[in-house]
Amino acid sequence: AQTVTQSQPEMSVQEAETVTLSCTYDTSENNYYLFWYKQPPSRQMILVIRQEAYKQQNATENRFSVNFQKAAKSFSLKISDSQLGDTAMYFCALDGGSQGNLIFGKGTKLSVKP
Amino acid sequence: DTEVTQTPKHLVMGMTNKKSLKCEQHMGHRAMYWYKQKAKKPPELMFVYSYEKLSINESVPSRFSPECPNSSLLNLHLHALQPEDSALYLCASSQEGVFWTGELSTNEKLFFGSGTQLSVL
Repeated sequence: AQTVTQSQPEMSVQEAETVTLSCTYDTSENNYYLFWYKQPPSRQMILVIRQEAYKQQNATENRFSVNFQKAAKSFSLKISDSQLGDTAMYFCALDGGSQGNLIFGKGTKLSVKP
Repeated sequence: DTEVTQTPKHLVMGMTNKKSLKCEQHMGHRAMYWYKQKAKKPPELMFVYSYEKLSINESVPSRFSPECPNSSLLNLHLHALQPEDSALYLCASSQEGVFWTGELSTNEKLFFGSGTQLSVL
């Protein structure tokens, strides 16, 4: 079975500092995609960053970057220079391809404090 | 236009009511999805339409009835709901949904709407 685990239910960070959100997963697929989604209080799910498993290079999107460790099945999200607008629930998700569904972790609630 | 629009934003209904949730996108996407999200939980997939045909039904009770009138619109008809059906209902779309092999892949970017917060009394 494919699973996604986020072990940090809540985290907080001071504005302008860096924070890392953890995610581990399990899959038997050789090729797959991993995502981080952000859900702010507005409730809209917003794609933050995407990683293709066959690419060794870690994905980056402005202040957001991932540390993808394929052997360890780890996919952490680093947010640099945290901003108040980064306050949200963050979901790690796995697309296992043949299963045809996004598998979400339980989420990490991030609070950025002024 | 990169938006998925959902209406209404909030809905309160009794267990005997019939109501509908609406979702619209004008990005030319061919796959549309309904997710259900309980408070402090991740979204759970309910239905997927690909090229206006129902591709996936995740064993959803028949009191939820999806409809895809055209490639831009997705409805969710509600009838005889239970209080435990109270949740945030999210619509999403993606450019392609089902490969020619019949497999569904969501490895493309999913665009989500802001959801309808449903309360069943």
